[in-house]
Amino acid sequence: GAGVSQSPRYKVTKRGQDVALRCDPISGHVSLYWYRQALGQGPEFLTYFNYEAQQDKSGLPNDRFSAERPEGSISTLTIQRTEQRDSAMYRCASSSIFGGGTDTQYFGPGTRLTVL
Amino acid sequence: AQKVTQAQTEISVVEKEDVTLDCVYETRDTTYYLFWYKQPPSGELVFLIRRNSFDEQNEISGRYSWNFQKSTSSFNFTITASQVVDSAVYFCALKGGSNYQLIWGAGTKLIIKP
Repeated sequence: GAGVSQSPRYKVTKRGQDVALRCDPISGHVSLYWYRQALGQGPEFLTYFNYEAQQDKSGLPNDRFSAERPEGSISTLTIQRTEQRDSAMYRCASSSIFGGGTDTQYFGPGTRLTVL
Repeated sequence: AQKVTQAQTEISVVEKEDVTLDCVYETRDTTYYLFWYKQPPSGELVFLIRRNSFDEQNEISGRYSWNFQKSTSSFNFTITASQVVDSAVYFCALKGGSNYQLIWGAGTKLIIKP
């Protein structure tokens, strides 16, 4: 597609439920990033893929968070047993070359997650 | 350690005024990249510019200009003749040469009043 797309745009869930957030990167982009952004703050790195390989998951807050990108394109960020503190904007970005160096990350519209 | 500081939490100006958003960074990398992104009220993050550490030329794009000063570790952003549509939160970000993570400032909320 023309840009990074994310779905759903808004997700309201009850505490304890699992959620899956989807990211469809710009066509041909090899690197994909997940960030989380709290209100009034800059984004915070969660994890990063080159093609289907998860290169770094050090930013995932705990083991309730996981991400995959099985075919090197669409990625899913899954949060199990959601808690209220998970409420935030979840952003996906993609870039055209391997992460590091001169790549520029282009962001999707984000998924606003609210955990009640 | 890498760090980005945007000391201005919020700026409010009247339309057509010029406004400068400050960004100060810290890094030990000799090669690094600086970015500005715009987050309008609709919420998306829009890429504005990338500047490489080895290129200190300032850049102008229409009403936007960027002043990169390695001596003061600053990468400031100026909007000339501001317009209401410029109202947004503006983020400055840093990436080390061998890194892939963007390190973000806290953002500056810019309000342009008609």
